[in-house]
Amino acid sequence: RKEVEQDPGPFNVPEGATVAFNCTYSNSASQSFFWYRQDCRKEPKLLMSVYSSGNEDGRFTAQLNRASQYISLLIRDSKLSDSATYLCVVKIGGSYIPTFGRGTSLIVHP
Amino acid sequence: NAGVTQTPKFQVLKTGQSMTLQCAQDMNHNSMYWYRQDPGMGLRLIYYSASEGTTDKGEVPNGYNVSRLNKREFSLRLESAAPSQTSVYFCASSERESYGAHGYTFGSGTRLTVV
Repeated sequence: RKEVEQDPGPFNVPEGATVAFNCTYSNSASQSFFWYRQDCRKEPKLLMSVYSSGNEDGRFTAQLNRASQYISLLIRDSKLSDSATYLCVVKIGGSYIPTFGRGTSLIVHP
Repeated sequence: NAGVTQTPKFQVLKTGQSMTLQCAQDMNHNSMYWYRQDPGMGLRLIYYSASEGTTDKGEVPNGYNVSRLNKREFSLRLESAAPSQTSVYFCASSERESYGAHGYTFGSGTRLTVV
């Protein structure tokens, strides 16, 4: 089983739709969680950190479920500009090394 | 702030040639990383440096060497390039932390082709 698993997609949704991605992780010692966004031929950029209580940033909501070992990203009112690959990142407490998922591709169409 | 700066942005090498990819960060981060990204493979860690003066192997270190020149700079060297090293290379940095939600800042990448 991979340490961090994501559905590669692509998720193809119309503008205005709500879309959700999940990411599962295998190591229960994981303590830090992030969602990154990567545009085509660009570097990954931090979208948001994921806190135990869940957190929201505008149209984006991230949740953590420690019992089932997954994190989720919900995007409401999708925009064309949301088209990108979304990477899940997990880090074990005390480790310097983050583990990246392979990413989920989102395509938002008119 | 420039963040993480990588040079060069593009490079074509012949098999057997050597080159060094340069990376510098101006955020006073302790930890620095080199990744390669290939289609369908995601980001794979080549080497990392937890702090100035230390370097460690990642998932795919074979064929590469690194130098943490100082706190700001972390270079990646290909001694004898092979076509299998054709990839996009990203440098990243982060603060040193045991807990918390600090992220990783990436450079814009180097697209390397080995022919």
